[in-house]
Formats: sequence, C-alpha cells, structure tokens
Amino acid sequence: DQQVKQNSPSLSVQEGRISILNCDYTNSMFDYFLWYKKYPAEGPTFLISISSIKDKNEDGRFTVFLNKSAKHLSLHIVPSQPGDSAVYFCAASDDTGNQFYFGTGTSLTVIP
Amino acid sequence: DAGVTQSPTHLIKTRGQQVTLRCSPISGHKSVSWYQQVLGQGPQFIFQYYEKEERGRGNFPDRFSARQFPNYSSELNVNALLLGDSALYLCASSLSGGGETQYFGPGTRLLVL
Repeated sequence: DQQVKQNSPSLSVQEGRISILNCDYTNSMFDYFLWYKKYPAEGPTFLISISSIKDKNEDGRFTVFLNKSAKHLSLHIVPSQPGDSAVYFCAASDDTGNQFYFGTGTSLTVIP
Repeated sequence: DAGVTQSPTHLIKTRGQQVTLRCSPISGHKSVSWYQQVLGQGPQFIFQYYEKEERGRGNFPDRFSARQFPNYSSELNVNALLLGDSALYLCASSLSGGGETQYFGPGTRLLVL
C-alpha cells in the first residue's frame, strides 16, 4: 500500500524555468514532509522539509508547499539549473517519526 | 564533518548465503534507520534504532535483523538470501529519530545471484 505517491516518473524543464514536482499522500497522520534529491550511485541528499503546521517553506531556489486538505505537497525549483537534474523523492512521517515513507521518485532533467 | 558512512560499497552473494552490512552515523547522531531501495522504487523502511533499542520495524521477513552498538554504529544482517534481496541498502542517521530529518549514506549495492 503506497502511502506516498509521485505520479510523474519524469519531468523535463528548460534551464532558467520553474520545475514543479508533485507528491500526494493518503495518511492523515503524517505531519512531517521532506524532499530528497538523489544522483546515481549516491544516497539521497536532504533538500528541504516542512511540518504540518506550515503551508510553505523556502530555502533559496527551493520552496515546498503543503496543502493538508488535499493531502498534497509540491516542490518548486526556480530558476532550474542543469545541476538540478536528479531523481527527487518526497517522504513523510507521522508524529512518532519511527518510519519514513517514500514516494517512487520523479526524475528531473533540466535542459541547458 | 564526516557524513554517514556505509561498508562495503558493493557486494555479490549467492542465494542462501548470509550478509552483514555496516553503517556509521554522523557524529552526535544517536538514531540509525535502514532502508531497502529496489530499482525504480523509493526507499522502503526496514528498521530504526535509537540508543541500541529497536524503535520501528517495516514489513520485512525475520530473515532481516539489525543491531546498534554503544558507539551508535549499526549492522544489518540478512539471512538465507533470495534473488529478490538484490537492492541498494541505505542507512540514514538522525539526532534522535523522532520525526527529524534523516541523513543518508551512499548505500551498499547488494547483488544476489
């Protein structure tokens, strides 16, 4: 049972434009959400997080939006750069934090 | 500062064998979690340990076991290997494991033939 879903396996964006990666979840008990970036042959690298008490969190070019009523979060990257090309995973945990649930990933390609 | 380290980086085993994977957390982190990532999927949670105690266990068979040592490093053991155990095994550490950001190591790539 996939509790965190990323329905777009891939996304291509021109350099300088905005990249929007989407993630949906089903468990209303999730209260902490994260985005990770993964390059081939490396472990996931933490990018940005948001707790359920907020609806937006920014860190430089990266912004995560959380819509609790829709059980949806998105990651905006602006402007997109070729170095952003990677697989992006969203993850969620409940208040115990004992287990993180990951989506299946979205492969982002930023075209120079 | 050193990040999460894992050893070995790659491993080839045959069906029925046993394997031990190792992980050293970021200095100061007391919680370690293990994940299995099969090609094309996201990481799947296996275990979380904090202060040498198991805090959480994912939906994996009893062939999978783990432990955490007093220095907070951890081992993941898999017995009676199956072809389907071929995957990238990721270790992540966090300060206390309670809903905090987890930082991942580079993983161990296990191939079962």
